Amino acid sequence: EAGVTQFPSHSVIEKGQTVTLRCDPISGHDNLYWYRRVMGKEIKFLLHFVKESKQDESGMPNNRFLAERTGGTYSTLKVQPAELEDSGVYFCASSPTTGMAYGYTFGSGTRLTVV
Amino acid sequence: GENVEQHPSTLSVQEGDSAVIKCTYSDSASNYFPWYKQELGKRPQLIIDIRSNVGEKKDQRIAVTLNKTAKHFSLHITETQPEDSAVYFCAALTEGSNYKLTFGKGTLLTVNP
Repeated sequence: EAGVTQFPSHSVIEKGQTVTLRCDPISGHDNLYWYRRVMGKEIKFLLHFVKESKQDESGMPNNRFLAERTGGTYSTLKVQPAELEDSGVYFCASSPTTGMAYGYTFGSGTRLTVV
Repeated sequence: GENVEQHPSTLSVQEGDSAVIKCTYSDSASNYFPWYKQELGKRPQLIIDIRSNVGEKKDQRIAVTLNKTAKHFSLHITETQPEDSAVYFCAALTEGSNYKLTFGKGTLLTVNP
């Protein structure tokens, strides 16, 4: 079984540019989550999809961040325009059952550097 | 909301020694406490977890203890090996009513040969 896959693994962009991160969850997992770790700090929740619907986007920092999950399969997280403080590692996770920890699996993350 | 504190932020031990990482949480509704190990450039990987109806769980050299009254839980690694070197994260979640993990800031464990 393939795990959670994230693209790209690394991205370096200039301030003001746009970047799109992609996450492919484990097949059949209805729940998809985005998290972010800013250097030296905790991994923080950004948002949660159940299939194609946003269940909770309370962790999204501001309106420069846009997440989509068209068709309930893969998800994208777009940052536009990127700022220096957006640098960090963006993790995606997926799980089969809403509200249960069973099968909660992380991807390897995308390391975003904004210069 | 939930807040998880993790200590220490860095830990260096000699091979064969034990390592202990401690976490506290604030929300008494939290009932699931996983520990993740993240090696450089790799995904956070679940290594052990505990639910609030259990006080201790062990898996080979790794054990986790939970004190619900004090709202703290700890990871114990015995007979450490160099391959145990990684960043360890504790987290908390409320199964049944929640879906988001609240993480501690992580502990960089270095096991010196």
